Amino acid sequence: GAGVSQSPSNKVTEKGKDVELRCDPISGHTALYWYRQSLGQGLEFLIYFQGNSAPDKSGLPSDRFSAERTGGSVSTLTIQRTQQEDSAVYLCASSFLTGAGYGYTFGSGTRLTVV
Amino acid sequence: GQSLEQPSEVTAVEGAIVQINCTYQTSGFYGLSWYQQHDGGAPTFLSYNGLDGLEETGRFSSFLSRSDSYGYLLLQELQMKDSASYFCAVLDNYGQNFVFGPGTRLSVLP
Repeated sequence: GAGVSQSPSNKVTEKGKDVELRCDPISGHTALYWYRQSLGQGLEFLIYFQGNSAPDKSGLPSDRFSAERTGGSVSTLTIQRTQQEDSAVYLCASSFLTGAGYGYTFGSGTRLTVV
Repeated sequence: GQSLEQPSEVTAVEGAIVQINCTYQTSGFYGLSWYQQHDGGAPTFLSYNGLDGLEETGRFSSFLSRSDSYGYLLLQELQMKDSASYFCAVLDNYGQNFVFGPGTRLSVLP
C-alpha cells in the first residue's frame, strides 16, 4: 500500500483480556518495527523484524507481549492478560532498508485503553 | 545501553529561528535522526546525520558532532504549522534500530 496501515485505530479492552494489533507495512519494505508511546512521552522500542531473520525482541516489556510477521509482510502484536499500564499508542513503522538515511515510515498507531 | 536528552519544551515566535539540542550516551553509534510529530499524528522522518557536519533540507537543518555526542535540529522562518514535538533518535550500535529521545515540544506563537 501507499503507507503503513494499522488496525484498529482505537481499542478499548477490559483488564485481563487479550488484544491483537495489526500492522500492514509498505509493500517492499523489508524492516518492520513496533514502538509504544505513552501520553506525552517518547517512543519505546518493542520489537524489530528484518526479512526472514529472527526478530529482535529485546524491547518487549514482559512475556505477555509477543509479535509475529507472516510472509515477511503483515505483523500482529499480541498482548495477553492486558494491564492498565499497557494503555498507550502502539506505533508500527517500516523501512526499505535498515539504518543510515532510510527513515522509518510510521503508521497512525493503535490507541489502546485498558479499563 | 543508550540514553538521549532533549529539552522538554521550547517556545518561539513566527518567523524566528529555533535550535533543539540533543545529547546522547551510547555504547555504539551509527547516526542521528530527527522526527516531527504533530498532536495525534504519526512521527514523520525529517533528517539523518551519519557524519559530522550540517545537513540542510529547506527550512530545516540538522547538525552532528560525534566527538561531542551532540546534535541539533535548526528550524528557520518558523511557521505556526511547525508547532509539534520533535524527537532525536540514535541508530544503535548494530545499525539496525533507532532509539528515540523523550521529545521536545515546540510551540510557535503568532
